[in-house]
Amino acid sequence: KNEVEQSPQNLTAQEGEFITINCSYSVGISALHWLQQHPGGGIVSLFMLSSGKKKHGRLIATINIQEKHSSLHITASHPRDSAVYICAVMSRGGADGLTFGKGTHLIIQP
Amino acid sequence: EPEVTQTPSHQVTQMGQEVILRCVPISNHLYFYWYRQILGQKVEFLVSFYNNEISEKSEIFDDQFSVERPDGSNFTLKIRSTKLEDSAMYFCASKEDKIAKNIQYFGAGTRLSVL
Repeated sequence: KNEVEQSPQNLTAQEGEFITINCSYSVGISALHWLQQHPGGGIVSLFMLSSGKKKHGRLIATINIQEKHSSLHITASHPRDSAVYICAVMSRGGADGLTFGKGTHLIIQP
Repeated sequence: EPEVTQTPSHQVTQMGQEVILRCVPISNHLYFYWYRQILGQKVEFLVSFYNNEISEKSEIFDDQFSVERPDGSNFTLKIRSTKLEDSAMYFCASKEDKIAKNIQYFGAGTRLSVL
């Protein structure tokens, strides 16, 4: 069973700061998702990674398969980035359901 | 942009009653999922569904739960006799095909409150 750990659990930063959220997992995976959950509860997929790095606007996600670790970075953070960011993994071996971390609650203050 | 639609957004029911949560996945998607999130806890996988049958289920998905794709567009989760501990946010997701490179798209969720 894959254990997914995120850090930090809570992060408060000032507008404009560079944000890093970390995710580690215990068992080899076929893919890793970064998801965003707003206070209303809906979940939005931001990235899916199986290797390397992806960038979308101010968001960058990286993954190191050997170290079983991924990071989500937000450049030039803005109050609208305030949300819970969740890491979820798809394990190898055909299992399709995602295993989720507990999430990182991010607050960006103006 | 295509989206996964879930109805209702909030369902209140009495303990012991049956509930059906409904989802309309993205139209060309073939893989469907249900997840749940108990308040304050992490999201948990319940079940995946492909080709009109369950492809994987978690230990949470016991005999009280069932899934169905009754008409080629809807994907439903039924809880036969609800318990207080079934109160949670239930998310439906869909994916285009099996390969690992395909992202899962999530609906906005149905909040189930069991009284």
